[in-house]
Amino acid sequence: GQQLNQSPQSMFIQEGEDVSMNCTSSSIFNTWLWYKQDPGEGPVLLIALYKAGELTSNGRLTAQFGITRKDSFLNISASIPSDVGIYFCAGHLRNNAGNMLTFGGGTRLMVKP
Amino acid sequence: EAQVTQNPRYLITVTGKKLTVTCSQNMNHEYMSWYRQDPGLGLRQIYYSMNVEVTDKGDVPEGYKVSRKEKRNFPLILESPSPNQTSLYFCASSLQGTLWNEQFFGPGTRLTVL
Repeated sequence: GQQLNQSPQSMFIQEGEDVSMNCTSSSIFNTWLWYKQDPGEGPVLLIALYKAGELTSNGRLTAQFGITRKDSFLNISASIPSDVGIYFCAGHLRNNAGNMLTFGGGTRLMVKP
Repeated sequence: EAQVTQNPRYLITVTGKKLTVTCSQNMNHEYMSWYRQDPGLGLRQIYYSMNVEVTDKGDVPEGYKVSRKEKRNFPLILESPSPNQTSLYFCASSLQGTLWNEQFFGPGTRLTVL
């Protein structure tokens, strides 16, 4: 299957700092998604991006769909303790093989109050 | 309450002993899917189902079976589990196959195969 490289793998930041994480792929995707997973829970969708170049915000979160369709980033501004969790990017591609949703390896975010 | 439920939440078993992890959703969703989550690898899709009686392989289907006899249920079957299937498993559903981006995930099943 396709590979998504997500970085950084983990971040330990001070409350109030901004956070940036990104995903890159060797192949193009039609859609990029960003999820957050809290401990003991399943992932929850944060932002969905449908067009190359699209920039979308959801509160303190901003994500962009790269022009090349091979990358995406997620920024979190003014981090707070409840931002702690694992953030996953995911790319969707529909082709002859079917509907495939490929996830990155995750970025573990830790916020120090 | 609209939700995706999985059972069991935790399971420890031995190599070769057949097991089934159930998944059920009460939202009348057409699309359901199974993922496994391993450290550093994110979530990898095992199987998905666009509707009743329609199932397709995901990225890592080897060693797994699924069935979709009813809309609300999508069990994951391991006929002969092996230690490399030790993982955290998530079931997910969405209203339609084209709305896969609005997937609701279950709480997860942590499986250990000894």
